[in-house]
Amino acid sequence: EVQLVESGGGLVQPGGSLRLSCAASGFTFDSYYMSWVRQAPGKGLEWVAKIKHDGIEKYYVDSVSGRFTIARDNAKNSLFLQMNSLRAEDTAVYYCARVRYSSGWSFDYWGQGALVTVSS
Amino acid sequence: QSALTQPPSASGSPGQSVTISCTGTSSDVGGYDYVSWYQQHPGKAPKLIIYEVSKRSSGVPDRFSGSKSGNTASLTVSGLQAEDEADYYCSSYAGIKHWVFGGGTKLTVL
Repeated sequence: EVQLVESGGGLVQPGGSLRLSCAASGFTFDSYYMSWVRQAPGKGLEWVAKIKHDGIEKYYVDSVSGRFTIARDNAKNSLFLQMNSLRAEDTAVYYCARVRYSSGWSFDYWGQGALVTVSS
Repeated sequence: QSALTQPPSASGSPGQSVTISCTGTSSDVGGYDYVSWYQQHPGKAPKLIIYEVSKRSSGVPDRFSGSKSGNTASLTVSGLQAEDEADYYCSSYAGIKHWVFGGGTKLTVL
């Protein structure tokens, strides 16, 4: 059974940093692209970042580029999101999602989400 | 403001059919057959229900169907059931922008 479990969310002041983790199990982690998708309170979904199998190619939505860094540890089946210079508008539930490029670049499995609140 | 446009709400009675639209541009919906639909119940993670415009994800009932014409994709839920009440989001692969989502549609089963 595919499982994605996020951790590391919490309350942080504007300008602060936070690191999210996602523990993956039930599939061959290093065979898949992975992504982070976020959802602000009461709002829709927004793609945040994507990382290729090898961890070398990384892509970001413009609003987080230069502040967030996506990374992975294939040996530990883990995905990470380092978030720096956080802003109030980064407040959201952050979901770890598996990317299925063979199925039209869809997100076929999602974690339960980690809440990040940026507030003073 | 979301890149893809969805109606904020839709509704239907049990057993009826309802269609939710998702309008983008030639750079996303119209340019790729990579439209996906996600169902999200309150407090839960999104769940993939449709990928590549019209293909149902594993375990999804055939009451759910997808289609596309030009820059507009659609999700149809036939034979509405109480458990279909949820938020529905469309998404399209968009090349250099990677993925764009719609703002979501709240489906109410009357």
